[in-house]
Amino acid sequence: QQQVKQSPQSLIVQKGGISIINCAYENTAFDYFPWYQQFPGKGPALLIAIRPDVSEKKEGRFTISFNKSAKQFSLHIMDSQPGDSATYFCAASYRGSTLGRLYFGRGTQLTVWP
Amino acid sequence: GAVVSQHPSWVICKSGTSVKIECRSLDFQATTMFWYRQFPKQSLMLMATSNEGSKATYEQGVEKDKFLINHASLTLSTLTVTSAHPEDSSFYICSARSGRNYGYTFGSGTRLTVV
Repeated sequence: QQQVKQSPQSLIVQKGGISIINCAYENTAFDYFPWYQQFPGKGPALLIAIRPDVSEKKEGRFTISFNKSAKQFSLHIMDSQPGDSATYFCAASYRGSTLGRLYFGRGTQLTVWP
Repeated sequence: GAVVSQHPSWVICKSGTSVKIECRSLDFQATTMFWYRQFPKQSLMLMATSNEGSKATYEQGVEKDKFLINHASLTLSTLTVTSAHPEDSSFYICSARSGRNYGYTFGSGTRLTVV
C-alpha cells in the first residue's frame, strides 16, 4: 500500500508560469512533510518542508500548502524557470519513531520551457 | 548545513565481484542511516535502515546476504553489494539523520554498473 500518492507524473510549464504538484497521505501519525528536488545522476536535495501544525510555508519561489483534514499537501513553484526542470518528490515521515523512515511519492518530472 | 559524502559516484565491476559504497556524514553524527535504490525514472526504494552500532533492518524482499550494511560509527556507513550481477546495476543513495526530530540529508548517489 502506497503511503504517499503524488500527481501528476509529469508536468510541462512555460517559463514564468506556476508549477503545482500534489500529494496525499494516509497515515495521520506523519509529522514531517518534505519536498525534494532531484537532478539526473544526483541525490535528492531538500527543497522545503512543513509540519502539520502549519497550513502554508513559503521559501522564495517555493510554497507548500498543507491541508491536514484532507490529508493533502502541495508544492507551488512560482515564476518557474528552466533551471527548475528536475524530478520532484514529496515525502512524509513520523520522525518521532526510532527508525523514522521517509515514505516517498512516485515523483513528478517537471519540464519548464524557455 | 549537514553534508553527507558518498563514494564512489560511479563504479563498474565484473559480474561475481563485490563492491563497497561508503557514506560519511561530514559535520554531524549520523545516528540513523538509510540506503535506497533507484531505477531510472522511478522513486527511491528503501532497502534498509541502520542505527549506529546495531544490525540493519532490511525491507521485505531485500536480500541481506547480498546487500551488506555496516554502520559501525556515527560518521560512516557502508553498503557492500556481494557477488554482483547485472540485475544489481542501479543508482544507490544513502541518507542520514542525527536523531529524532531532525531532517534527512542525502548523499549524491552511486551509479553501479555490473558487466
